[in-house]
Parts: sequence; structure tokens; C-alpha cells
Amino acid sequence: KAGVTQTPRYLIKTRGQQVTLSCSPISGHRSVSWYQQTPGQGLQFLFEYFSETQRNKGNFPGRFSGRQFSNSRSEMNVSTLELGDSALYLCASSFYSAQSSYNEQFFGPGTRLTVL
Amino acid sequence: DAKTTQPNSMESNEEEPVHLPCNHSTISGTDYIHWYRQLPSQGPEYVIHGLTSNVNNRMASLAIAEDRKSSTLILHRATLRDAAVYYCILRDGGGSNYKLTFGKGTLLTVNP
Repeated sequence: KAGVTQTPRYLIKTRGQQVTLSCSPISGHRSVSWYQQTPGQGLQFLFEYFSETQRNKGNFPGRFSGRQFSNSRSEMNVSTLELGDSALYLCASSFYSAQSSYNEQFFGPGTRLTVL
Repeated sequence: DAKTTQPNSMESNEEEPVHLPCNHSTISGTDYIHWYRQLPSQGPEYVIHGLTSNVNNRMASLAIAEDRKSSTLILHRATLRDAAVYYCILRDGGGSNYKLTFGKGTLLTVNP
């Protein structure tokens, strides 16, 4: 079974630009979550999608948005990039069952975004 | 989300057991204790989880205190590949467990 894939793996942008990152979950997984990882703040939850609906959102400005398609693939978009947006963006997928305490999340390798 | 407290770093020798502690004094009755680890240059990966009883799997064991205010992840024989940041996370088992709230974790160094 293929793991979670993220594209691109590396990206360099300049301030003010916008960027779109893509995540393909494990086949059969309908939940996709996004996290931002920086040396200073660690791993922080951005948002989670399930069946094309955003179910939960972290404390990030509106410049960060996402969406999920009918095939469960997800994209996140960051508009008007700032230097502080430089980070590793991780996507995680889960089969997700409301009856389960498990709901293991499987992470992709991440997209390293550098904002100059 | 209830908070967890872990040591910033720990060191171990190869092939020796490692006990990684986690304090979670404000844990609620529906919180499950999950452990994830992040190897260098990789995304986090699930290690183990439990509610009240001790748990074992192929990767590790989880020992949970009787009052559930602390737990310990046990790697029975550390290898160099176990060098990673280990995160102890509480997840609400009541159904709204959509996200993982990561703390700073414990950086485990394994010496050859």
C-alpha cells in the first residue's frame, strides 16, 4: 500500500506570493490533516478535512486555507506569503472511525517551504 | 487539550532498554495516551496508544500509572534507528479526536 505522498517536496517563494501544496492520502483514507512544523513552534495543527468538509481548524490566519476533493486528495494554499511561513508542511491521512480511539494518522514526508 | 510534560532530551546506549516518561496530570477520563515519534527528516509515525491498561506492540510497551497522571514509553532494546523525537499526546476518545496536539517531545539519542 502506497504511503502518503506530498508534492512538491521543496519549494522556494518570495514574500507576497501564494503557494499551493498537494497531498495524496493512503488509499481508503478519507481524513486528511495538515500541520506546520517550525523550529520555534514545533508541530502545529492547521486543519482537517473529512469527506470534502473541513471539520476542525487550528489557530492560523485566514491566509491559510485548504480543500479536499472527492477522491480525498487535499490541497492547502497560503496566500500573501510572509517570511514566517517558512516551514515544513506535513500532511497526515487517517481512515477515521468515530467509534475508534485509534485513528492512527499516517504522515507524509512533508513539503519544505522557504520564503525569501 | 490537556497538556503533557516530557523531558527535553534523553540518552541511551544501543541494545539497552529506554524508559521515556510523560506527565499528564490534567488528563480526563476520555483521553487516550498516544505516542508518536519523528525520525530525522521524516514525518511523525505512530508508536503506541492506551487508555488505562499497559499495552505492548512490536515497537514498544506503554506503562500507564494507576491514577493515569503519568505514563512511560518503553523501548526494550534501543537501536540506532530509534534515535528520534518522541511525542506523548492526549487524544479525546469521545469522538472529536480529529487532531494531534504535539508538545516539544523528547529527543532520544542512542549511542553505539
